[in-house]
Amino acid sequence: GENVEQHPSTLSVQEGDSAVIKCTYSDSASNYFPWYKQELGKRPQLIIDIRSNVGEKKDQRIAVTLNKTAKHFSLHITETQPEDSAVYFCAASKRLVVQFYFGTGTSLTVIP
Amino acid sequence: DTAVSQTPKYLVTQMGNDKSIKCEQNLGHDTMYWYKQDSKKFLKIMFSYNNKELIINETVPNRFSPKSPDKAHLNLHINSLELGDSAVYFCASSTRQGEGSPLHFGNGTRLTVT
Repeated sequence: GENVEQHPSTLSVQEGDSAVIKCTYSDSASNYFPWYKQELGKRPQLIIDIRSNVGEKKDQRIAVTLNKTAKHFSLHITETQPEDSAVYFCAASKRLVVQFYFGTGTSLTVIP
Repeated sequence: DTAVSQTPKYLVTQMGNDKSIKCEQNLGHDTMYWYKQDSKKFLKIMFSYNNKELIINETVPNRFSPKSPDKAHLNLHINSLELGDSAVYFCASSTRQGEGSPLHFGNGTRLTVT
């Protein structure tokens, strides 16, 4: 099965700085990579996703990059704000397969 | 309208009891899931289910069983609750159509076993 590793487990940045979270996956057949944000006491919510036919996707201050050859993908948050503080999860999935494999999460703290 | 709804939000019970958590989705998705999130925040898949196939994570004790009356509902039944079952349980749904679509999570049920 798929194995998704996520680093770092905790990350503290100053407000306005950038944050980068990295994930690697093991199954070369994985082709869909969502990222979730989970605020304290709430459910994980999708913030951005990328499919294997593109290398980068951007949505305002959030971007995701994918390197299929190296089997890793990263989340980039620019101009961080205190409300970005949360736990972030990466995940990997395959088309027509019902399994989502999650990374172990990154607790991001943005210091005002 | 909440896309994936689960009840109850909180569940406090004693060891040895049997309890159920209900989940409903109105997204028309074909697949539903149960995830367990422990105190370390790890999201562990317990079950994934559509109308043709149930996939069980082999590490899940057989005290846990999913029950699906129809494709919009996937309930979780737990027998003989143990202290280690305390966690937040999330229901989720997705579709296998297209080139990948995300999971939609419910708001979670915080189970506390005393």
